[in-house]
This record gives sequence, C-alpha cells and structure tokens, in this order.
Amino acid sequence: DQQVKQNSPSLSVQEGRISILNCDYTNSMFDYFLWYKKYPAEGPTFLISISSIKDKNEDGRFTVFLNKSAKHLSLHIVPSQPGDSAVYFCAAKSGSEKLVFGKGTKLTVNP
Amino acid sequence: ETGVTQSPTHLIKTRGQQVTLRCSSQSGHNTVSWYQQALGQGPQFIFQYYREEENGRGNFPPRFSGLQFPNYSSELNVNALELDDSALYLCASSEVVSTEAFFGQGTRLTVV
Repeated sequence: DQQVKQNSPSLSVQEGRISILNCDYTNSMFDYFLWYKKYPAEGPTFLISISSIKDKNEDGRFTVFLNKSAKHLSLHIVPSQPGDSAVYFCAAKSGSEKLVFGKGTKLTVNP
Repeated sequence: ETGVTQSPTHLIKTRGQQVTLRCSSQSGHNTVSWYQQALGQGPQFIFQYYREEENGRGNFPPRFSGLQFPNYSSELNVNALELDDSALYLCASSEVVSTEAFFGQGTRLTVV
C-alpha cells in the first residue's frame, strides 16, 4: 500500500524551461509535505515544504503547490538549471509521525 | 554547525553476520530516524528515537534494533543479515519531532 506516489520515474527538460514534478497521496491525515533532492552517493537534501493549511509555498526558483481535494502536490522549478539534475523525492507526514516517501523522479536538465 | 554524519560509508557483510551503523546528529537536534532505501525505491522508515527513547517503528523485524545516546548520536544494529538487507541506510536528525529532517550521506550495506 503506497501512500505517496510519484508516477513519473523520470523527467527530462531543457535548461531555462520549467520542470514540474508531481506527487499524489492517499492518506488524508497527512498534514505536512516535503520535497527532497538526492544526488548519487549523497543523502537526500531538504528542498522545500508545505503545510496542509497552505496551497502554495515559494523559495527562489522552487515553488510547491498543494491541492488537498485532489490529494496532489507538485514542485515547480523555474528556470531549470543543469545542476538541478537529481532524483527528487516527495515525502509526507502526519503530525510528529514518520516521513513517508515516494519512489522518486529522476530529473535531467539538458544544457 | 556540523551536519549529520554517518559511518562507515560502505560496508560488505556476509549473510548471517551482524552489523552496526553509526550516526552523529546535527548539532542541537534531539530526534534521530533511520531509513532503508533499496535500489529504485524511496526511503522506508525503520524507527525513530527521541531523547534516547524509541518513538515509533516501521514495518521491520526485531532483528533491526537501535540506540540513541545522551549526545543524541545513534546506532542501527542489524542481526542475522539477509541478502535483502542490502541497501542504503540513511540517518536523519531534526530539532524536535515535528520539523524537517536532515539526512546524512548514508551507509551502503552489501550482504553477500
């Protein structure tokens, strides 16, 4: 039973364009959502988060959108840069409980 | 301020052996969680420690055990290793139980 789903295993975009990574969840008790970026041979790096009381959070080139009725969130990266090439994990939690991760989406930004 | 550090970075063990993985929390963080990341999967929660007490456990057998020390560093112990235990083991620390978790670089365990 996968509570957090990232249905696109990979995404390829051109430098300067927008990257949109999607995530769906099934547990309506989740109240906090996070995105992590992971380079090979490194641990996941926290990128951006959003509380369930918001529908948008922005940090520089990164924006996360939350649609609670659809149980869907997305990460927008604008403009995309080659250094953004990595695996992106969506994660969710309920209160102080564990993080539940999706399987990740590998983003490739082509120069 | 130092980040989360894990040791060793790589490890090869034989089936049936025991292994101990170590994690030093980020300064000021009192909560440590351990995750297992198999190839092609997202990290899976093993357990969490808060102020030296286990504070939640995922769907892992009892041969996975842990400790948190007074300085908030932590160990993950796995007994009777199986081939399927081969994975990247990630440690994450946070300041209080409910905030963002910050990950170490992981320990790559290979069981042969």
